[in-house]
Amino acid sequence: ETGVTQSPTHLIKTRGQQVTLRCSSQSGHNTVSWYQQALGQGPQFIFQYYREEENGRGNFPPRFSGLQFPNYSSELNVNALELDDSALYLCASSKRDRGTTDTQYFGPGTRLTVL
Amino acid sequence: KQEVTQIPAALSVPEGENLVLNCSFTDSAIYNLQWFRQDPGKGLTSLLLIQSSQREQTSGRLNASLDKSSGRSTLYIAASQPGDSATYLCAASTGGFKTIFGAGTRLFVKA
Repeated sequence: ETGVTQSPTHLIKTRGQQVTLRCSSQSGHNTVSWYQQALGQGPQFIFQYYREEENGRGNFPPRFSGLQFPNYSSELNVNALELDDSALYLCASSKRDRGTTDTQYFGPGTRLTVL
Repeated sequence: KQEVTQIPAALSVPEGENLVLNCSFTDSAIYNLQWFRQDPGKGLTSLLLIQSSQREQTSGRLNASLDKSSGRSTLYIAASQPGDSATYLCAASTGGFKTIFGAGTRLFVKA
């Protein structure tokens, strides 16, 4: 158990809808990263939040957005869902200190299916 | 642009064998390199983290090495067990605090 939780576990949406995924980070961690993992592939970096600001972004369109709250929990929002958005969405929390980032601890993921 | 490659894509070995998983990256300017294990349909479990200033890390039967100059990392698993069967992923953290994963090596250890 990493102490990182995600909700919901599974989610089914239709094309064009919007979705919000949630992540609670491990105690003492100040950084949250989000990843998209398609079946049979490695996770793809979406973005990272540090102290409530986006700090690093992968090759994902603006319809992927996020938030980090003062308690360091985080949300991933995806607008105008497409079929290719179907994937396992993982969040990872870590502690950043003076420019270095420690081990990332992953949550169990949210399985999103877009029909 | 950082790219991470893992070889082999899949590996099947008999129980008790020592094995090496390979990870290569194209940009040597990394902050750290991390190895993870993923069981089917599950999240990732951190195995070892090597900071850019380090050469290797060990935990139990696992040993990971890092050679930034050649852009390579290896994960050595000693005396493999059926419970080691999983997908092993390496990830390089680079400037801009991006983490780039390889596609993974699927390991099957036969009893």
